[in-house]
Amino acid sequence: NAGVTQTPKFQVLKTGQSMTLQCAQDMNHEYMSWYRQDPGMGLRLIHYSVGAGITDQGEVPNGYNVSRSTTEDFPLRLLSAAPSQTSVYFCASREARRSGANVLTFGAGSRLTVL
Amino acid sequence: GQQLNQSPQSMFIQEGEDVSMNCTSSSIFNTWLWYKQDPGEGPVLLIALYKAGELTSNGRLTAQFGITRKDSFLNISASIPSDVGIYFCAGQLSGNTPLVFGKGTRLSVIA
Repeated sequence: NAGVTQTPKFQVLKTGQSMTLQCAQDMNHEYMSWYRQDPGMGLRLIHYSVGAGITDQGEVPNGYNVSRSTTEDFPLRLLSAAPSQTSVYFCASREARRSGANVLTFGAGSRLTVL
Repeated sequence: GQQLNQSPQSMFIQEGEDVSMNCTSSSIFNTWLWYKQDPGEGPVLLIALYKAGELTSNGRLTAQFGITRKDSFLNISASIPSDVGIYFCAGQLSGNTPLVFGKGTRLSVIA
């Protein structure tokens, strides 16, 4: 199994450009999420999804869109990139149990620079 | 929203020394997790804690779930160079709620 796969690993954008960060998991996890990591800020939740067709906002959703048309994929879209969106983005997934172990598995990250 | 205070922010230690870091919260959690992030990689789970007062070990790592459910501690014994990285605590209130992460402790080990 590949686990959580993110593409691209690196991307440079100009302000105002749009792009999509791809995330795919092959573990049949119901729950998927996107975090951004900035120096001194830790991991902050952008959007998450508890299953296909269901998405919700996290702590820092502004400037990002998501959709969940399949269980496997959870793309993150930047419609008009801004320098403040320069960051490392992590996709993570887990089983959507109601109690007990809910351990997130992370992808390797996508480093985005907006000029 | 919920916030986790993780300390220290960074540590420089000699190889062979023990390390302690902790996380505190303004509200209770029912699950505490500790992750490690190597440079250029995503975080990887080290230890998961599910019960107040629980003490769990994973090799040289030991973590505890505080009895108040508002804190957790991670200890690393006899540090080695490969312990270098960023350690994150994370808390979760219930199975349906997202994980909340601390800001991380950056560990450097001097050989």
